[in-house]
Amino acid sequence: GAVVSQHPSRVICKSGTSVKIECRSLDFQATTMFWYRQFPKQSLMLMATSNEGSKATYEQGVEKDKFLINHASLTLSTLTVTSAHPEDSSFYICSARAGRIGNQPQHFGDGTRLSIL
Amino acid sequence: AQSVTQLDSHVSVSEGTPVLLRCNYSSSYSPSLFWYVQHPNKGLQLLLKYTSAATLVKGINGFEAEFKKSETSFHLTKPSAHMSDAAEYFCVVMTTDSWGKLQFGAGTQVVVTP
Repeated sequence: GAVVSQHPSRVICKSGTSVKIECRSLDFQATTMFWYRQFPKQSLMLMATSNEGSKATYEQGVEKDKFLINHASLTLSTLTVTSAHPEDSSFYICSARAGRIGNQPQHFGDGTRLSIL
Repeated sequence: AQSVTQLDSHVSVSEGTPVLLRCNYSSSYSPSLFWYVQHPNKGLQLLLKYTSAATLVKGINGFEAEFKKSETSFHLTKPSAHMSDAAEYFCVVMTTDSWGKLQFGAGTQVVVTP
C-alpha cells in the first residue's frame, strides 16, 4: 500500500519550453503533497508544500512563478517548470501524505530526471 | 529549528560485515527521526522511524537504529551487509510545525565490496 507514482521518469527538452511533472497517490488520498529537488550527489531540498485545494507554500528562494504547483485533487499534484533553462536541470521528487498533520508518513515517488538542453 | 548531521559522506564495507551510519540531531523538542534509503535514480524508501516510543527501532531489511538522547544521536546499523545495501542513506528529522516537513541530512553513500 501507499504507492506514489511520478510521471514522467525522465524528460529531455529544449531551453524555453515548459515541462509538467505529475505525482499521483494510487491507493490513498493525499491531503498534503511535497515537491523536492535534488542536485547530483546532494541531498533533497524541499521546494514547496501543498494541501489539496489550497495554494502551495513555497520555501524561501524558490520562485513560485517559475515552479507552478497545482494540487487540485486528493490523488494528483503537478509541478510545472515554466520556461525551463539548463540550470533547472535536476532530479525532482514528490511525496504524498494522507493527512495534514505531520505524524503521518510521507511516501515518495521514484523521481523525474529533467534535462534541459 | 530541527536539523540532522550525517557524520560520514561515504562508507565502504565488505559484504557480510557490519554497517554503521552515524547521525546526530538537533531539536528543541523530542524529535521524530527517520532513515531513508535511495537507490540510483530512484525515490526514497523508508527504512525505519523513531517517534518517542522504544529507543531501539527495528526497520526493514535487517536495519535498526538506536535513539540516544544523551548523545543526540540516531545511528543506523546492520549486522551483515549485503550487496543490495549499496545506496545513499539519509537521516531525516521532522519539523515540529503543523506542516511536519522533513529536513534531510546530507546523505551517506554506502559502497559494499565483495
